[in-house]
Amino acid sequence: GAGVSQSPRYKVTKRGQDVTLRCDPISSHATLYWYQQALGQGPEFLTYFNYEAQPDKSGLPSDRFSAERPEGSISTLTIQRTEQRDSAMYRCASSRQTGELFFGEGSRLTVL
Amino acid sequence: AQSVTQLGSHVSVSEGALVLLRCNYSSSVPPYLFWYVQYPNQGLQLLLKYTSAATLVKGINGFEAEFKKSETSFHLTKPSAHMSDAAEYFCAVRSSSNTGKLIFGQGTTLQVKP
Repeated sequence: GAGVSQSPRYKVTKRGQDVTLRCDPISSHATLYWYQQALGQGPEFLTYFNYEAQPDKSGLPSDRFSAERPEGSISTLTIQRTEQRDSAMYRCASSRQTGELFFGEGSRLTVL
Repeated sequence: AQSVTQLGSHVSVSEGALVLLRCNYSSSVPPYLFWYVQYPNQGLQLLLKYTSAATLVKGINGFEAEFKKSETSFHLTKPSAHMSDAAEYFCAVRSSSNTGKLIFGQGTTLQVKP
């Protein structure tokens, strides 16, 4: 696509439910990043992919968080058994290898 | 490990006044440094980047930043603020040379008063 597209833009869920967020990167971009941004804070790295490989998932806060990119294009971020502290903006970005990161508009998650 | 500190979570200036947003970094390798801007309900947009070429970097919308190794700083400036500059600004450092992964500061909200 022309830009990075994320869905849903807004998600409200109840504590304990599972949530899946989707990112559709720029089509020519090999690398895809996921960031978590709490209110009033800067984005914090969660994980990234080079095509379908996931070289670094050091930022995932717990084993409730997982991400995949099975065909090297669209990626999903899944949060199992959501907790209120998971409420944040989740941002996806893509790039050509080590080039400039292009960000999507984000998915705002609210856990009640 | 790389890190970034932005001094001042909120900065307020009058329209037409100088904008100065401060960023200090810590890096164990020669740093690649970035400034991003975030307008409400939009994604982060790259303003400018330093990649070890010229120490004074010019970006979009009249912004520029100067890399000062001796001060480990990369402050963002604009000579004359415009109302449309009101946004949140993030400084970031690349975590290593073989990945595009960025480490962000906590952000500075710029308010521009008429």
